[in-house]
Amino acid sequence: EAGVTQFPSHSVIEKGQTVTLRCDPISGHDNLYWYRRVMGKEIKFLLHFVKESKQDESGMPNNRFLAERTGGTYSTLKVQPAELEDSGVYFCASSQDSYYGYTFGSGTRLTVV
Amino acid sequence: SQKIEQNSEALNIQEGKTATLTCNYTNYSPAYLQWYRQDPGRGPVFLLLIRENEKEKRKERLKVTFDTTLKQSLFHITASQPADSATYLCALRNYGQNFVFGPGTRLSVLP
Repeated sequence: EAGVTQFPSHSVIEKGQTVTLRCDPISGHDNLYWYRRVMGKEIKFLLHFVKESKQDESGMPNNRFLAERTGGTYSTLKVQPAELEDSGVYFCASSQDSYYGYTFGSGTRLTVV
Repeated sequence: SQKIEQNSEALNIQEGKTATLTCNYTNYSPAYLQWYRQDPGRGPVFLLLIRENEKEKRKERLKVTFDTTLKQSLFHITASQPADSATYLCALRNYGQNFVFGPGTRLSVLP
């Protein structure tokens, strides 16, 4: 089965610009998660979708971040406008059961200059 | 405050030995605890999950223990190989919440 796919793998943008990250989960996985690692720190939870609904978005840092999951399939994470502190690696993960192991994508490395 | 600590940033062991990594937590009451492996430039890969009512879980050369009294999980790799070199992450979740990750331990298995 295909794994979790994230696009792009790398993105370099200027402060104030907009960037949209995309995640294609494993087919049939209702649960989709966004995490990020900034400045070599721990991987931090951002939000959790169950199908197209946001189950938990308590980790979203501020209203510059907007996540959507169209029709319960792929998800996008938009950062607008980007700030320097948004630089890091953004991971997407999916799972059939929210209590079991997650399958992660390879991440998108975002650099804001 | 809530905290997850993993024994050290880096651990070096000789091939063939058993690697033991620790995960300690404070101010959590996790219902589940997971261990992941992460290689450079890749996302974490799920290895094992252990529930609060389980003491030990095994999978091939891997063993995880979970002591809710000590608030600690131990992760063992027996007969370690250079291919086991990677960063290992523990992650735990309370009921009704999402998994929270520790900082990870970078394991190097020397031939």
